[in-house]
Amino acid sequence: GAVVSQHPSRVICKSGTSVKIECRSLDFQATTMFWYRQFPKKSLMLMATSNEGSKATYEQGVEKDKFLINHASLTLSTLTVTSAHPEDSSFYICSAGQGAETQYFGPGTRLLVL
Amino acid sequence: GNSVTQMEGPVTLSEEAFLTINCTYTATGYPSLFWYVQYPGEGLQLLLKATKADDKGSNKGFEATYRKETTSFHLEKGSVQVSDSAVYFCALRENSGGSNYKLTFGKGTLLTVNP
Repeated sequence: GAVVSQHPSRVICKSGTSVKIECRSLDFQATTMFWYRQFPKKSLMLMATSNEGSKATYEQGVEKDKFLINHASLTLSTLTVTSAHPEDSSFYICSAGQGAETQYFGPGTRLLVL
Repeated sequence: GNSVTQMEGPVTLSEEAFLTINCTYTATGYPSLFWYVQYPGEGLQLLLKATKADDKGSNKGFEATYRKETTSFHLEKGSVQVSDSAVYFCALRENSGGSNYKLTFGKGTLLTVNP
């Protein structure tokens, strides 16, 4: 089946620093990638949708200048959390798909901001 | 807007018990419906799906039927195993072209199956 990887799996950083999370589709080309945030005991909240070669579409309430998304190729998307603060600590999950086809999810990245 | 409501967990069962996890939805139009499973330490995996009313999705002994009249997509399994212990998410996807195929998730239900 289709495999999506995320790197790193977990990261701890100091407040004020920036953190980059990579999402890769390993055995297929993903025209669309999605970034989610998962809070404890809560659902996955869609943050943004990115299509290869174009700007990401952010959901209402998500700061695009804080959560920078780059979808430079059909197999790689990155999420950069800029000037991270403790309230940004969360579990970030990406998914990759091809148009209306099934989304394949990465294993997630645990971010802890001290 | 779209929303998905699924039963609160956690659900704890003994091996070979019958499982039902309720899921209802609100949506404009005719969405596709999904159940995803998240095993400990892993990402979400698609368990089953249904794309139109009265469709039944099935996989690994799990089943769910798309009920338009009750706007429901309840997940069932006749005999659970310890290995089924995971978090289960119900989700819907709009099928209109302008939606960019976004998924809307329920809050997830933690299932623990004891031997």
